[in-house]
Amino acid sequence: DAGVIQSPRHEVTEMGQEVTLRCKPISGHNSLFWYRQTMMRGLELLIYFNNNVPIDDSGMPEDRFSAKMPNASFSTLKIQPSEPRDSAVYFCASTDRLREGTGELFFGEGSRLTVL
Amino acid sequence: AQKVTQAQTEISVVEKEDVTLDCVYETRDTTYYLFWYKQPPSGELVFLIRRNSFDEHNEISGRYSWNFQKSTSSFNFTITASQVVDSAVYFCALSRNTGKLIFGQGTTLQVKP
Repeated sequence: DAGVIQSPRHEVTEMGQEVTLRCKPISGHNSLFWYRQTMMRGLELLIYFNNNVPIDDSGMPEDRFSAKMPNASFSTLKIQPSEPRDSAVYFCASTDRLREGTGELFFGEGSRLTVL
Repeated sequence: AQKVTQAQTEISVVEKEDVTLDCVYETRDTTYYLFWYKQPPSGELVFLIRRNSFDEHNEISGRYSWNFQKSTSSFNFTITASQVVDSAVYFCALSRNTGKLIFGQGTTLQVKP
C-alpha cells in the first residue's frame, strides 16, 4: 500500500513568493495532520483535519499560512507571502479511525522548504 | 501544560553496544499516550511504539525494549546490540487522545562500526 505522499520533496523559493505544499493521505484514513520541523522549535503541529474539516489550527503561525482539504485524498498547505523564517521541513501525516484516538500517525517523507 | 524532555542530544556508541535513550514527560492528564518515533537519515518519521497511561508493562520487540514508569514520568527506550542501521534521530512524544503529538527535541544516535 502507498504511504502518505507529499510534494514537492524540495522547494527553494525567494522571499515574498507563494508556496504550496501538497499531501495525499493513505487511502481510507480520515484524519490528516500538518507538522513543521525546525532546528529551533523541533516538531510542532500546525493544523489537523478530521473528515476533511479543520479541527485544530492553533499551531498555524500567522495569517500567511493556510491549509485546505477539499476531499479525503488531498490537502494543501499554502504560505503567502513566504519569509526566510518559514524554512523548515513540513510533514504531512494521516491516521485512521482505529488509531485516531491514540495519536499513532503515518508520516510522509516531508517537504523541505528553503526561503531565500 | 504538556512537555517532553529528551536530555540526551547526541549519543555515540560502537556497534553491538547497548544504548538507552531517556524520555521524561509532564502532563496533568490521567489518560495519555506515549510514543517513540525514529527519523532515519532519509528524513521520514517512522512509528516504533505506543503506550497508554494505564499500561505500564514493559515491552520488548526484537532488539528494542521500552520501560514505562509513571512514578518517574519516564518512558525510556533501549536498543540491545546496536547496529549501524540504528543510526537515526529518535523522538519521544506525548498525546492526549488525538494526533496532536508533543514531541521531545530528539536524540541523535550514531552507531559506529
